[in-house]
Amino acid sequence: NAGVMQNPRHLVRRRGQEARLRCSPMKGHSHVYWYRQLPEEGLKFMVYLQKENIIDESGMPKERFSAEFPKEGPSILRIQQVVRGDSAAYFCASNLVAGTGELFFGEGSRLTVL
Amino acid sequence: KNEVEQSPQNLTAQEGEFITINCSYSVGISALHWLQQHPGGGIVSLFMLSSGKKKHGRLIATINIQEKHSSLHITASHPRDSAVYICAVRSGDSNYQLIWGAGTKLIIKP
Repeated sequence: NAGVMQNPRHLVRRRGQEARLRCSPMKGHSHVYWYRQLPEEGLKFMVYLQKENIIDESGMPKERFSAEFPKEGPSILRIQQVVRGDSAAYFCASNLVAGTGELFFGEGSRLTVL
Repeated sequence: KNEVEQSPQNLTAQEGEFITINCSYSVGISALHWLQQHPGGGIVSLFMLSSGKKKHGRLIATINIQEKHSSLHITASHPRDSAVYICAVRSGDSNYQLIWGAGTKLIIKP
């Protein structure tokens, strides 16, 4: 029973390129959350998705960032035209029950923008 | 003032010492999480609690809802316990959003 799987673990992009981060939740989990952790800072909520629906994207920058969780396949966090300030660790978490369920985190994807 | 405050920010101790990390919050909550993050590593959920006390191995977490305070204890600490410990609360206003503490960086010296 695999945990939350994120890939790639490390991604290097040049300014202006696109970054795609993938997250496969734990088996049976339909709630996915993305968080960003800037260097030396705590986690910040970005977006909460259920299958095929964005429930809350209040933490997502309005431009260049998008997220999806299709009916089939992993959740994708997409960053277009990356800038140096996007360099961070991006964590995905999932749970079975949104309100009270324990959160399970992936290992994170570390994006470095050159 | 942050809604979730952790103390201390940094803690260095000798192997074998009893460790206490504190978390105070100012909002109504439905649950409190303790998580562990190793340098450059992922995040592991240690406990989720809404009342009382939970124990897992050498880790103990307690919460006092009236005082809006939680503690994480580590007995017989070991260098492999060195990590950042994070407290996060699920606000009563939201059924999913977490308010995160800044973390406590723990170093256990052999």
